[in-house]
Amino acid sequence: QKEVEQDPGPLSVPEGAIVSLNCTYSNSAFQYFMWYRQYSRKGPELLMYTYSSGNKEDGRFTAQVDKSSKYISLFIRDSQPSDSATYLCALSFTGANSKLTFGKGITLSVRP
Amino acid sequence: DAEITQSPRHKITETGRQVTLACHQTWNHNNMFWYRQDLGHGLRLIHYSYGVQDTNKGEVSDGYSVSRSNTEDLPLTLESAASSQTSVYFCASSVGPSSYNEQFFGPGTRLTVL
Repeated sequence: QKEVEQDPGPLSVPEGAIVSLNCTYSNSAFQYFMWYRQYSRKGPELLMYTYSSGNKEDGRFTAQVDKSSKYISLFIRDSQPSDSATYLCALSFTGANSKLTFGKGITLSVRP
Repeated sequence: DAEITQSPRHKITETGRQVTLACHQTWNHNNMFWYRQDLGHGLRLIHYSYGVQDTNKGEVSDGYSVSRSNTEDLPLTLESAASSQTSVYFCASSVGPSSYNEQFFGPGTRLTVL
C-alpha cells in the first residue's frame, strides 16, 4: 500500500459546482497536510495547509483532515473555470526538515 | 522578488549523453529538492539537500547526481541519459529546518531523451 493514495481522476464539473477532492494515507504519524495546485505547464503552488486535524477555510476553499480515518479532503465551492488545474495532496511528519510525500494528483476541469 | 528558476525550460538530448539541469533560488533557503513528474506516478523525489555540501538520495536517484556548493544552486546531472528519464523535472526549495516545510517550486524543465 502506498503511503498516500489520491483519486486518479480526471474530474470534469460544470461551473458553479461543489468539488470534493480526496486523499487517504496509511501512516498515522503524518501531521502536516497540504494541498498544492498546479496549472498546466507550471510548477505546483501551495494552496492550503492544515496542521493535525480539523478544518481550514480560505474563501471558496476548505481543507478538511480526519486523522481517525486517515482521510483528507479539499472542497471547492462555486467552482470557476480558473480552478481548472491538477491538485496534489502532500503530507509530512513533524520534525525539522521533514520531506513531503505527495499524492499522484487529480486533474480538475471546470466547464463554463 | 525572491524566486526559483530552472534552465533550460526544454531540452532534447540523445541516449548516453550527460545532461545537467540548473536550479537557482534567491529565497536563501537551506533546503532544495529535485523531483520528476510522470503520468501515473505523480511527483517523485530524486535528490535533496539540507545545506551546502549536503546531498541525499530520494526514491528514484539511480542515474542522477547532485552537488551543492552554495546556498542558491542545486544542479541535477544525468550521467548517461536514458529514454526512461524523459520527464518533467521540478526543482523546489524550503526554508528549513522547520516542522512546517512549504516547498516553493520552479517552473520545470521538460526533458526528452531520444
